[in-house]
Amino acid sequence: GQQLNQSPQSMFIQEGEDVSMNCTSSSIFNTWLWYKQDPGEGPVLLIALYKAGELTSNGRLTAQFGITRKDSFLNISASIPSDVGIYFCAGIRYNNNDMRFGAGTRLTVKP
Amino acid sequence: EAGVVQSPRYKIIEKKQPVAFWCNPISGHNTLYWYLQNLGQGPELLIRYENEEAVDDSQLPKDRFSAERLKGVDSTLKIQPAELGDSAVYLCASSRGDGFYTEAFFGQGTRLTVV
Repeated sequence: GQQLNQSPQSMFIQEGEDVSMNCTSSSIFNTWLWYKQDPGEGPVLLIALYKAGELTSNGRLTAQFGITRKDSFLNISASIPSDVGIYFCAGIRYNNNDMRFGAGTRLTVKP
Repeated sequence: EAGVVQSPRYKIIEKKQPVAFWCNPISGHNTLYWYLQNLGQGPELLIRYENEEAVDDSQLPKDRFSAERLKGVDSTLKIQPAELGDSAVYLCASSRGDGFYTEAFFGQGTRLTVV
């Protein structure tokens, strides 16, 4: 089953608004990853985080690796219709390639 | 650089029939994952390979599922016999697995429908 708690489960926003979603766990992770999945496709990697406290941007996306190493968040600024999809967080344990996923946040952007 | 390639993209079979999925990882990637994704849920690990060794198959239903990764490159996941509840998307992912840059990349998945 899922070991990462991702929230919110779904979001309905207006185009141009900012979005924030997060992922928490009772376990420590060495790497946090954020993916986006479109219908009928595999997840696509958006951002990878490797150090506690790290803040990384990819265009309008910004993600942070929590200092406790048990959480991460993803922000999307100035949302556009093509941001629609399901966003997943994933954590990888230290010195181990065991990768676990959250249940996803479904994002809907209204034009 | 070519991405992770999976085939087939779609498969429809009758229950109790066998089915196999194939994955070709990114060149040089040592770690290979097979995930199961049910509708509206996140991917759930079935098996993880480090080179040709299955290092985590604790979630693989071994009574009907099997996997192999010969020569540490391509991998095949098999279900025999398939059940109605196996209908899902089967995702393959790979990573360098070198202990530091461990980000994984996914294929497009195989959508299995068991009727």
